Amino acid sequence: DSGVTQTPKHLITATGQRVTLRCSPRSGDLSVYWYQQSLDQGLQFLIQYYNGEERAKGNILERFSAQQFPDLHSELNLSSLELGDSALYFCASSVGRDRESNYGYTFGSGTRLTVV
Amino acid sequence: GENVEQHPSTLSVQEGDSAVIKCTYSDSASNYFPWYKQELGKGPQLIIDIRSNVGEKKDQRIAVTLNKTAKHFSLHITETQPEDSAVYFCAARGSGGYQKVTFGTGTKLQVIP
Repeated sequence: DSGVTQTPKHLITATGQRVTLRCSPRSGDLSVYWYQQSLDQGLQFLIQYYNGEERAKGNILERFSAQQFPDLHSELNLSSLELGDSALYFCASSVGRDRESNYGYTFGSGTRLTVV
Repeated sequence: GENVEQHPSTLSVQEGDSAVIKCTYSDSASNYFPWYKQELGKGPQLIIDIRSNVGEKKDQRIAVTLNKTAKHFSLHITETQPEDSAVYFCAARGSGGYQKVTFGTGTKLQVIP
């Protein structure tokens, strides 16, 4: 157990639907990152939050949104789902202090989304 | 932004042989270089990292080297075992607060018994 909890582990939904993926970061970590990993693909950075505020955006579609709540858990909302959105979605957390820091990420076990 | 290139994309070695994965990065300000191992159906796991003030770091059968001048770093796995079979990702992180980690495209390592 990495300490980063993602729910649900698996999700099957139809095209056009909306889903919410949830992530609880490791205790003490303030930063949360969302990544998408399609079949046999690398890790595509979607978005980063630090202590409730958006810090960086990557290749995140307008149909996708995220937020980080006061208790530091984060949710990734995917709407108007398309077949191509089928992928593994990973959440990672890090200490994310505002001074220069060299800390790695701790990943959750991911949510496998299948759009049919 | 940072760009990280990783080679090879696939690598097959015989059990007991060594495996080397190489990465280059573009941002000379990057100062932290982690390596992740992703087993099938699992999230990536940090296996070793190196900071820019160090040229080499070793942890049992795994070692990482960094050449800041050439902006490349490598992962070396010696005496490979079947359980080393996985996808390995290199990454680089810029200096300063809130800098995200940029990942390479991954190397699928197969250790043949």
